[in-house]
Order: sequence, then structure tokens, then C-alpha cells
Amino acid sequence: AQSVTQLDSHVSVSEGTPVLLRCNYSSSYSPSLFWYVQHPNKGLQLLLKYTSAATLVKGINGFEAEFKKSETSFHLTKPSAHMSDAAEYFCVATPKYGNKLVFGAGTILRVKS
Amino acid sequence: DADVTQTPRNRITKTGKRIMLECSQTKGHDRMYWYRQDPGLGLRLIYYSFDVKDINKGEISDGYSVSRQAQAKFSLSLESAIPNQTALYFCATSDPSRGQETQYFGPGTRLLVL
Repeated sequence: AQSVTQLDSHVSVSEGTPVLLRCNYSSSYSPSLFWYVQHPNKGLQLLLKYTSAATLVKGINGFEAEFKKSETSFHLTKPSAHMSDAAEYFCVATPKYGNKLVFGAGTILRVKS
Repeated sequence: DADVTQTPRNRITKTGKRIMLECSQTKGHDRMYWYRQDPGLGLRLIYYSFDVKDINKGEISDGYSVSRQAQAKFSLSLESAIPNQTALYFCATSDPSRGQETQYFGPGTRLLVL
């Protein structure tokens, strides 16, 4: 069975400081991995996706994530947080060429001024 | 994503009532999905459809039914609503023909069952 674990339910950073949102997945085969963001009262927006090309994936709004197979991790980072980054972030996995998404529980990012 | 719309956006209903949530898409995707979101649980798959004639149960289908009226429309029904079905419901679409399973989400329907 495939599961996705987001290690922090809440992360709080100051504006201008780095962001790290952690995600681990368990799978017997390399999955496709995604990060989605959900702003308050909005739907989910795709930030970035990994599909077995480059292990460092760049997304929108300055976010990037690195796929580390040896650690089964896909952590999301951003060098400098902005107030508009405050949202809930979901790490999502699906088997390569699969058809079902498995969601992590979500991490709420708070950005302090 | 404006290409995936959901109606209504908010709904309050009473226990035992039948309600329908509707989803429409203009992306031309064959695959459509219904999820519910609960705090601390992420999104969980209720039903999914790979084309008009293909309907599949997800991990939490009990108490729900769906109808795929056309490629562009996928409705979710609660036959007899109960309070623990209070949640945020999302519709999504995908087009795996390009080799990637990116899903595109609607804005969500917030449902409160009293």
C-alpha cells in the first residue's frame, strides 16, 4: 500500500526566511509525486510535479522540491517566504502511470510579518 | 481552476435529505473524480470515472453515489445525508494520455449536514 506522510501539520516562518515542508512516501516502486497548495476558500492548485525526470523540480512562485529515492522523501522548499505563501500544502503521490492520487494530511504554512 | 466548476459552492441540509453536488469541466478530460476533504485527513477519494461508461468506487464510497451524464459532467449524490458527511467536496479531472496523472481541481463545495 502506498502512503504519504507530511511530517508537520503546521509550520510557522517569518517573512523573508526559508520554507521547508517535509514529505515522505512509502512505495515499492517509484511514484509520481506532486505538491498542491490550497489557499483559504480556494480549490487546490498544482505547485509542481515529479515524474522521474530531473530529481530537482522547480514549480511556481519560487517553490522547488527534491526527490530523494534513498530517503523516500520529496520535501518542498522556498528560499524566502512571502506573506502570500500562507496556505495549506499537500504532498500527493501516485504510482507511475497509475490513476489514483494518495494525499498527505496537509501542512498549514503560516508566514509572520 | 475555472475550467472545472462545482455547484453549489455552499450547501446546508438536514439529516436524511437527498442532495446532489454537480461538477462540470471544459478541459475535455475523460477522467473525473470526487474527493472529500476533512481537517487533518487530506483529501480522500469517493468515486472516480475514466469515461462515461466507467464508474469506480474510491476508498470511502459508502453513503454516496455518482452519475456520469456526459464526458463533461460528473455528479455526486448523498442519498440520505448524515452529519458526518459534513465536509468540503472537490471534483477533479485528469488526462493521462500525456503520460502524467496531473489532476485539476474545482473550487470545492462546502456541505453542512445538520
